Amino acid sequence: AQKVTQAQTEISVVEKEDVTLDCVYETRDTTYYLFWYKQPPSGELVFLIRRNSFDEQNEISGRYSWNFQKSTSSFNFTITASQVVDSAVYFCALSEGNQAGTALIFGKGTTLSVSS
Amino acid sequence: ETGVTQSPTHLIKTRGQQVTLRCSSQSGHNTVSWYQQALGQGPQFIFQYYREEENGRGNFPPRFSGLQFPNYSSELNVNALELDDSALYLCASSSGGGLAVPYEQYFGPGTRLTVT
Repeated sequence: AQKVTQAQTEISVVEKEDVTLDCVYETRDTTYYLFWYKQPPSGELVFLIRRNSFDEQNEISGRYSWNFQKSTSSFNFTITASQVVDSAVYFCALSEGNQAGTALIFGKGTTLSVSS
Repeated sequence: ETGVTQSPTHLIKTRGQQVTLRCSSQSGHNTVSWYQQALGQGPQFIFQYYREEENGRGNFPPRFSGLQFPNYSSELNVNALELDDSALYLCASSSGGGLAVPYEQYFGPGTRLTVT
């Protein structure tokens, strides 16, 4: 069965600190996709990244970086030099690529609070 | 490019009543998915529509039903409302629904449903 675990419920940091959000997933499929979404207080989920199971290269986008490790079934997200605007709930999600429909299975989310 | 829109923003209903929520997909997207997000939880997949047909369903009872129209907009209907149906209902649109490849899903702002 598919499952996404975000063990960190809440994280508080001070501006300019680096912070890593953990994501561990479970799936029996060899083809799957992993996502990160940001949910600011306004409520709308904002897409951040999609990676497929065949591409283990780490990715960097500005202050954001993602570390995908199949050996530990993890897809961690790091924010470098955090800013107050990064305060939000962050969700990791999983989708298997061989089923009808392309449902996202979300973790419970990590609430990040960045103070100035 | 118009993003995903949902209506209404907020809704209060009484237990046992029926409700219809509406979603307009992003321009160029042919697939619509619906999610339920209870307070403090990650979104849970309800179902997905592609070419006006249900294309995958999560673990929700039949009283949750949907429609997709030729212009790709969609409705979520919930009959016999229960108190536990109180949640944020999110609509997401994406392209490529006929393929078993989960493209990025872009979310609307959601409809906050309160059942009393």
